[in-house]
Amino acid sequence: DTAVSQTPKYLVTQMGNDKSIKCEQNLGHDTMYWYKQDSKKFLKIMFSYNNKELIINETVPNRFSPKSPDKAHLNLHINSLELGDSAVYFCASSPGQGRNQPQHFGDGTRLSIL
Amino acid sequence: AQTVTQSQPEMSVQEAETVTLSCTYDTSESDYYLFWYKQPPSRQMILVIRQEAYKQQNATENRFSVNFQKAAKSFSLKISDSQLGDAAMYFCAYRDPRFNKFYFGSGTKLNVKP
Repeated sequence: DTAVSQTPKYLVTQMGNDKSIKCEQNLGHDTMYWYKQDSKKFLKIMFSYNNKELIINETVPNRFSPKSPDKAHLNLHINSLELGDSAVYFCASSPGQGRNQPQHFGDGTRLSIL
Repeated sequence: AQTVTQSQPEMSVQEAETVTLSCTYDTSESDYYLFWYKQPPSRQMILVIRQEAYKQQNATENRFSVNFQKAAKSFSLKISDSQLGDAAMYFCAYRDPRFNKFYFGSGTKLNVKP
């Protein structure tokens, strides 16, 4: 069973469109994250939720809106897509406790804006 | 603010030889956790090794070991008997235990020559 699963794996769309990426984890973790990895491979934290509550909200355009219907799911909705949004988006999860526990990552969603 | 620095954007090693990837970090905490992740071309993020700051002993996982120097805030990864499958991006990560937040370095691309 996949521990952290993201859909879709690839997303190609036009500028100005609205799109969503879904993430689900079956590890029973309390905390979930969204990262953006740019073309230079730099991983930047975007959001983090702990038990459905937003705890980290980095400097991200408000076109990006995370939604956590329950602690096993964290979706990312992006409005009015721009060329600069092209990147790989990773979902991750980690236990709320057990501080030596690493994050578990999904396989990433490659978003390409035409 | 915590930062993680990987000063080697790219490195090369001959198959079967040993290579060391550098990582330094900045923190005022005494209790924290450090990780190395591997990202092969398939783009999955795979945990390689972890280290608790309160432990003096360096972590080891088969061919992978770390040199953890707490006073110097250094956390380097040594890969022994390098294999072609080790070719990947390697990311150093610091976990802030207060906020369950992870900070990643910019990555080191490792090439393995046959």
